[in-house]
Amino acid sequence: GESVGLHLPTLSVQEGDNSIINCAYSNSASDYFIWYKQESGKGPQFIIDIRSNMDKRQGQRVTVLLNKTVKHLSLQIAATQPGDSAVYFCAENIGGAGGTSYGKLTFGQGTILTVHP
Amino acid sequence: NAGVMQNPRHLVRRRGQEARLRCSPMKGHSHVYWYRQLPEEGLKFMVYLQKENIIDESGMPKERFSAEFPKEGPSILRIQQVVRGDSAAYFCASSTLGDDTEAFFGQGTRLTVV
Repeated sequence: GESVGLHLPTLSVQEGDNSIINCAYSNSASDYFIWYKQESGKGPQFIIDIRSNMDKRQGQRVTVLLNKTVKHLSLQIAATQPGDSAVYFCAENIGGAGGTSYGKLTFGQGTILTVHP
Repeated sequence: NAGVMQNPRHLVRRRGQEARLRCSPMKGHSHVYWYRQLPEEGLKFMVYLQKENIIDESGMPKERFSAEFPKEGPSILRIQQVVRGDSAAYFCASSTLGDDTEAFFGQGTRLTVV
């Protein structure tokens, strides 16, 4: 299950289980959302993205769900592996002053995923 | 194709010194973004640059911080007169276009102010 740790929320799962990581965003004007994986000492690594005109998108072993009504984003990882252990961040694209969105991202707090063999 | 290259990976500075962080975007990328990450937190946007232009610096502290992306060479994030609170990981990301395209991140520079 999911619990709130001392600083970041944590999720511990067994290898082979499915993982669900949740994220709430605040800006209803956001139109582009990304999930990143960050391993210790490394930069964020792109996992999957979704635009606001979609509510679901699937990749390899990962699915992102977007619920604009409640401003909620989730990342589902199928058959979680020890190599999936990392901090996962959702990020939203707020866009520029001229109305053109670009890569200015607002990151969520992050969730620590630990996969036990 | 090399990814986004940042150097140095680790930088130690004494209070009052200057820190210079470098970022070479991926080949073909002309848009650069700098982010700062404090321990146990998400990344915070600092500045968005294109070649020779600062597009959005709304996340930059008003004093001591500056950024540039010259016509030739890497993008530079410069922190003058560093203080302990500047200790963080600084990440650079680059993309091909500004609009809704994936930004690739470098491995970051970890700045420690002693």
